[in-house]
Amino acid sequence: DAGITQSPRYKITETGRQVTLMCHQTWSHSYMFWYRQDLGHGLRLIYYSAAADITDKGEVPDGYVVSRSKTENFPLTLESATRSQTSVYFCASSSTGDYGYTFGSGTRLTVV
Amino acid sequence: KQEVTQIPAALSVPEGENLVLNCSFTDSAIYNLQWFRQDPGKGLTSLLLIQSSQREQTSGRLNASLDKSSGRSTLYIAASQPGDSATYLCAVSTGSYKLIFGSGTRLLVRP
Repeated sequence: DAGITQSPRYKITETGRQVTLMCHQTWSHSYMFWYRQDLGHGLRLIYYSAAADITDKGEVPDGYVVSRSKTENFPLTLESATRSQTSVYFCASSSTGDYGYTFGSGTRLTVV
Repeated sequence: KQEVTQIPAALSVPEGENLVLNCSFTDSAIYNLQWFRQDPGKGLTSLLLIQSSQREQTSGRLNASLDKSSGRSTLYIAASQPGDSATYLCAVSTGSYKLIFGSGTRLLVRP
């Protein structure tokens, strides 16, 4: 089935390590997004991409790096993980950018 | 800075009751407003989209209204069922590919 897949589903990492969260979509949507969800904050946008090789910062980009060499993939890298980056991370895609969002099932990341 | 607030944070109702979830936003210059449903351990599912020029949208037992001038939206759920139990999130789009989410209302419909 077409969809949006995130991996891994769960990840525990140590402070200071680099970790990459993967996101893959099969619709060829132009727009892709990374959000983090924390208790009391709802979802906050980390980075988004309007097309391959085009990315831009969201509300909370510090400590994160993204790339988009192919339309279908949008990995999120934490260069040096901190405890404050413990969160649930959601990837989403959209053909329009402003609506018609499809979300992945999330990656629960714990930094110890 | 746009802020989105949802009240109440949690709601418990008996099955069959009609209910209203509230969403307020601070800046009326929005592109659209969207309601999502989130089940535990799952991603978000889009429920309703209201464009800035619209007043309401309906899908089955769900009806969402939008009053831009007062910065408010409501999600009305008719004849609630246990399967409606989930967290409901509203989000406003600023028109620059950025959704601003509220913290959600956690709904429990008791059989």
